[in-house]
Amino acid sequence: TQLLEQSPQFLSIQEGENLTVYCNSSSVFSSLQWYRQEPGEGPVLLVTVVTGGEVKKLKRLTFQFGDARKDSSLHITAAQPGDTGLYLCAGPKILSGTSYGKLTFGQGTILTVHP
Amino acid sequence: EAGVAQSPRYKIIEKRQSVAFWCNPISGHATLYWYQQILGQGPKLLIQFQNNGVVDDSQLPKDRFSAERLKGVDSTLKIQPAKLEDSAVYLCASSKAPSSDNPYNEQFFGPGTRLTVL
Repeated sequence: TQLLEQSPQFLSIQEGENLTVYCNSSSVFSSLQWYRQEPGEGPVLLVTVVTGGEVKKLKRLTFQFGDARKDSSLHITAAQPGDTGLYLCAGPKILSGTSYGKLTFGQGTILTVHP
Repeated sequence: EAGVAQSPRYKIIEKRQSVAFWCNPISGHATLYWYQQILGQGPKLLIQFQNNGVVDDSQLPKDRFSAERLKGVDSTLKIQPAKLEDSAVYLCASSKAPSSDNPYNEQFFGPGTRLTVL
């Protein structure tokens, strides 16, 4: 079973602080995606990382894919209240050697940034 | 480009009642997903359609949940009868079929329907 475990589960910080969210698995993933979900809305895709060791930046957000493609991290610099939300990592699930495009999601990290 | 549409946004019912949710995916997206999301957790896939055929419904509680996508576009998810533990947000997502156009299965989600079962 391909499981994704995220940590921490909850994060409450002050505006301007930095933070890192982790997504770990014992399985190798061909790619990993990060989504952000704001209260009352559906998840929105932020980034897809594909290559082991890859680093992608999206303004103040930095995403890294582990060399072995079993883990990923999301680092936010100088967090703002608008960053508040549920951060989810997800990876494609392989079914009997054929990928139907099914994603498995981590349980998420709830981030609250206080003004 | 219009996003994934879902209705209703909120629904409150009593246990043992029936409820139905509707989803209109992004135009041209062949794959449609229904997820159940318990508060504060990641989405759990209930059913996946490719056009109007079911690809995966292994986690759908078939004794009470049903879903259809008759013409390969809109979809409905029904719960009959509802239980207290069905209280959750029901998310619909769509994507292009896994292919060179969509090698990583990037999915687009609707706003969800928040169901409360009393």
